[in-house]
Amino acid sequence: GQQLNQSPQSMFIQEGEDVSMNCTSSSIFNTWLWYKQDPGEGPVLLIALYKAGELTSNGRLTAQFGITRKDSFLNISASIPSDVGIYFCAGRPPTSGTYKYIFGTGTRLKVLA
Amino acid sequence: DADVTQTPRNRITKTGKRIMLECSQTKGHDRMYWYRQDPGLGLQLIYYSFDVKDINKGEISDGYSVSRQAQAKFSLSLESAIPNQTALYFCATSAGGTTDTQYFGPGTRLTVL
Repeated sequence: GQQLNQSPQSMFIQEGEDVSMNCTSSSIFNTWLWYKQDPGEGPVLLIALYKAGELTSNGRLTAQFGITRKDSFLNISASIPSDVGIYFCAGRPPTSGTYKYIFGTGTRLKVLA
Repeated sequence: DADVTQTPRNRITKTGKRIMLECSQTKGHDRMYWYRQDPGLGLQLIYYSFDVKDINKGEISDGYSVSRQAQAKFSLSLESAIPNQTALYFCATSAGGTTDTQYFGPGTRLTVL
């Protein structure tokens, strides 16, 4: 099925560093969601974005809905070891009456203490 | 207690066996979904249900069937399991509407030998 381009695929960072990742699509979306998945667990919703240009924070996490509606960014400030995991984006197409989300392939984050 | 629960969490079975995965939710959402996750791929939608009487195929429904027994329960069946159905399976729920957001269960790891 259709997928988003999510980058980077993986990253190793030092504890305390800031992290940036993004998702891009060839088509526009009405909603962007960011999830974190720990090993052996289901994705947990971090941030939801519903308007182009929207900037939303959740603790040390900040996400933005790109103004072109074709991309979104997630930043993590001052990373800590428990930030390790896989971060997924999901975009919802604007077709009326649908449920469907397109999921990115994930960014695997590893934090070195 | 978790809002979305899945049973079993792990299952190993043999080719040709019928398998049922179960999902229950206490979020009061009308919409429920079944996804499959394979390494390196985004989540792929198998089936979705907007209410007890409404069930729809997703992107990869071949070889799967579902049953919506109640608003809170949605089960996924593999009629005759095959090895390439080895994957992580996630149930999700959402309330619908313009700010529809999906919430995931902890997943079932299925191995078909």
